[in-house]
Amino acid sequence: AQKVTQAQTEISVVEKEDVTLDCVYETRDTTYYLFWYKQPPSGELVFLIRRNSFDEQNEISGRYSWNFQKSTSSFNFTITASQVVDSAVYFCALSEAVRGNAGNMLTFGGGTRLMVKP
Amino acid sequence: DAGVTQSPTHLIKTRGQQVTLRCSPISGHKSVSWYQQVLGQGPQFIFQYYEKEERGRGNFPDRFSARQFPNYSSELNVNALLLGDSALYLCASSLLQNTEAFFGQGTRLTVV
Repeated sequence: AQKVTQAQTEISVVEKEDVTLDCVYETRDTTYYLFWYKQPPSGELVFLIRRNSFDEQNEISGRYSWNFQKSTSSFNFTITASQVVDSAVYFCALSEAVRGNAGNMLTFGGGTRLMVKP
Repeated sequence: DAGVTQSPTHLIKTRGQQVTLRCSPISGHKSVSWYQQVLGQGPQFIFQYYEKEERGRGNFPDRFSARQFPNYSSELNVNALLLGDSALYLCASSLLQNTEAFFGQGTRLTVV
């Protein structure tokens, strides 16, 4: 069985601070995919990144960066110089590449609510 | 291009009733998945359809059913509604296996 744990339920920072959202996952599969999604108050989940289990390179996209470490089963997300518009709930998710998984049957973590204060 | 569209956006039903939620995927996407998101929790996987066939089912009772049509749109049906079925129901579409899923804005179902 697969599981995603986001231990931080809520984080509050002041604008321009850096913040890291933690994600720890469990899976028995050797091939899997990890995702981060942002959910603003409107409710729609916005895709941020997808990573496969064979690619441990860290990635940076503007103020966002991701640190994937298979040794600790973690896929952490850092926002540099946070802004008020970053306030949202962030979800980490896992998808196993099992036969018949013709899409992405995602297992989500419980989410981290990020509040960025001006 | 239009994103994933879901209808209706909001719905209020009474316990015991039946409800049908609809989803239109992004043009060209053949995979549709359904998720239930209870307030304050992460989304839970309900169903996945690909090329009109059910490819996955989460841990939900038989009161939940779904189907995918030849144009790849999908419906989620819930029978004998319970108060605990109150949630945001999200539909997602994706192009290929394990590519990123694009979500609709969801249908907020309230059961009273």
